Amino acid sequence: DIQMTQSPSSLSASVGDRVTITCRASQDIRNDLGWYQQKPGKAPKRLIYAASSLQSGVPSRFSGSGSGTEFTLTISSLQPEDFATYYCLQHTIYPYTFGQGTKLEIK
Amino acid sequence: QVQLVQSGAEVKKPGASVKVSCKASGYTFTSYYMHWVRQAPGQGLEWMGIINPSGGSTNYAQKFQDRVNMTRDTSTSTVYMELSSLRSEDTAVYYCARRSGDYALDYWGQGTLVTVSS
Repeated sequence: DIQMTQSPSSLSASVGDRVTITCRASQDIRNDLGWYQQKPGKAPKRLIYAASSLQSGVPSRFSGSGSGTEFTLTISSLQPEDFATYYCLQHTIYPYTFGQGTKLEIK
Repeated sequence: QVQLVQSGAEVKKPGASVKVSCKASGYTFTSYYMHWVRQAPGQGLEWMGIINPSGGSTNYAQKFQDRVNMTRDTSTSTVYMELSSLRSEDTAVYYCARRSGDYALDYWGQGTLVTVSS
């Protein structure tokens, strides 16, 4: 199985900060990576697909980059509604695997 | 608009089985595969498997291979996930999620809490 190592596991930041979350794959997954945001008690919501494409309706402060084995999600200027948990997902081969998650908290 | 509506919460005893449903609307049901993902309390997301609603073929994570059965009913645009031999570690929220055009997961159901307790 492909392991997805996500870091950091938690992050404390302030409104207006720029934050970056990283996912590393244990083998080449091309750009078959998505980023998801999950708020407590809710289903995950896709933010980024194909590593760097913004899902329709998602604010442009979210961006993704990377290919192969290293990927990043960047939020350029944190807003209050962005405090949530973020997951990466590789979908190049079964079984699909998620990163462990990054909990983004208000400083 | 695409909607995935799941069945309600369940409480089961260890050793029992549970069957969760996911009713799709707003798109052509047989044109998109459906995933199942679960999330134990306070934990991350875990992919369980996928079903092709058109032909019924499935692909399961090895961890669940012996205990899970995913089926579909095209007449009602509903997919089902049945998990047997339940144990306390199966307590989780179970989600269905549609496979997107790029083979990831785009639309998600609201989740179904399954509690396994004696």
